[in-house]
Amino acid sequence: DAGVIQSPRHEVTEMGQEVTLRCKPISGHDYLFWYRQTMMRGLELLIYFNNNVPIDDSGMPEDRFSAKMPNASFSTLKIQPSEPRDSAVYFCASSFGTASSYEQYFGPGTRLTVT
Amino acid sequence: RKEVEQDPGPFNVPEGATVAFNCTYSNSASQSFFWYRQDCRKEPKLLMSVYSSGNEDGRFTAQLNRASQYISLLIRDSKLSDSATYLCVVIAPPGNTGKLIFGQGTTLQVKP
Repeated sequence: DAGVIQSPRHEVTEMGQEVTLRCKPISGHDYLFWYRQTMMRGLELLIYFNNNVPIDDSGMPEDRFSAKMPNASFSTLKIQPSEPRDSAVYFCASSFGTASSYEQYFGPGTRLTVT
Repeated sequence: RKEVEQDPGPFNVPEGATVAFNCTYSNSASQSFFWYRQDCRKEPKLLMSVYSSGNEDGRFTAQLNRASQYISLLIRDSKLSDSATYLCVVIAPPGNTGKLIFGQGTTLQVKP
């Protein structure tokens, strides 16, 4: 079975450019999470959706970040404009059901470098 | 103070050793706790849940001490394949969401 799919796997961009990260959750999962991982701050939850609806975006660092989930099989995380401090690994994860929402399946991540 | 704190290590142990990691959490209202494992440059994966009565899965034992607000993970008979970063995870209160709070992780390196 296919797991969580993320693209691109690596992204190198210049400061000021727009970056779009993509995620396809596991089919049937109703929760989708976006995380960011850095050495300094560890793994941080940015935003999560339930049934395509954003539930909690309190982790989104600032207005430069936005996330959408237009349907159950696709989500995007956009950074515009990007800054060097946005360099990190961005993970998407999905899970099924409220009772098991802690059992999250992570994608392989997108390693973003902003120069 | 961080919501979930762990000793980052690294813990360097020989094969066959027993090693224990601790983790503390700041919110006494937290109800659910887990350990995730993350291999180098890979994604995190759920290792095990932590129950109030303690639970065991093969060589791995997890325990919870609510009074002291700490969680532990014990690994017996360490294998080379146990080398990874172990992430302590708490569900943000009130606990009926998937909002996980991760510790910084404890790195384990098992040597031959």
